[in-house]
Amino acid sequence: DTEVTQTPKHLVMGMTNKKSLKCEQHMGHRAMYWYKQKAKKPPELMFVYSYEKLSINESVPSRFSPECPNSSLLNLHLHALQPEDSALYLCASSQDRSPDTTQYFGPGTRLLVL
Amino acid sequence: EDQVTQSPEALRLQEGESSSLNCSYTVSGLRGLFWYRQDPGKGPEFLFTLYSAGEEKEKERLKATLTKKESFLHITAPKPEDSATYLCAVPSNYGGSQGNLIFGKGTKLSVKP
Repeated sequence: DTEVTQTPKHLVMGMTNKKSLKCEQHMGHRAMYWYKQKAKKPPELMFVYSYEKLSINESVPSRFSPECPNSSLLNLHLHALQPEDSALYLCASSQDRSPDTTQYFGPGTRLLVL
Repeated sequence: EDQVTQSPEALRLQEGESSSLNCSYTVSGLRGLFWYRQDPGKGPEFLFTLYSAGEEKEKERLKATLTKKESFLHITAPKPEDSATYLCAVPSNYGGSQGNLIFGKGTKLSVKP
């Protein structure tokens, strides 16, 4: 089973709201990722967690706050977002951070910021 | 600088008309090349990983091949359900980004019945 689940599937929020995106995997993977994807563009890496510790933050604004409560869960907390943050947010996981390991993606959360 | 280029950007085929998608890369010391399929509004679905030149992998109507400079995704007798965007990615070997996936811009495939 190579399933990564994400909730919610869709989210609409105002610029003053606080919301969270959730991601879960039960493959025993120790690396988890958040990506942002705009229409007709490839995914862009935001954050990487390795063994529950944040290892990469790709200069993402502080209005995005990741959290890894345990090895199976990954959250992305959203606060005071801008309309340009509207995008498909993808979670992925891999066995570890080795470059040759395959990343498996979840179905994504479609976010609309009004 | 590590780079991945996919061509063509878009490809329209008739059902049954075989063709190939190209992914060329410039990265020092390839650690793997990944192919994904992505349907609109959904996450990328893993297809293949290739590690060394000459390697080939097949899945149903798809066959991926790898050389020292590029990879091809061959689609034999495609069906409408093969319509999707196909993404190619390689891990970066560049400094602080080492291990991060570098994606091509994708090839949008449309198969008409």
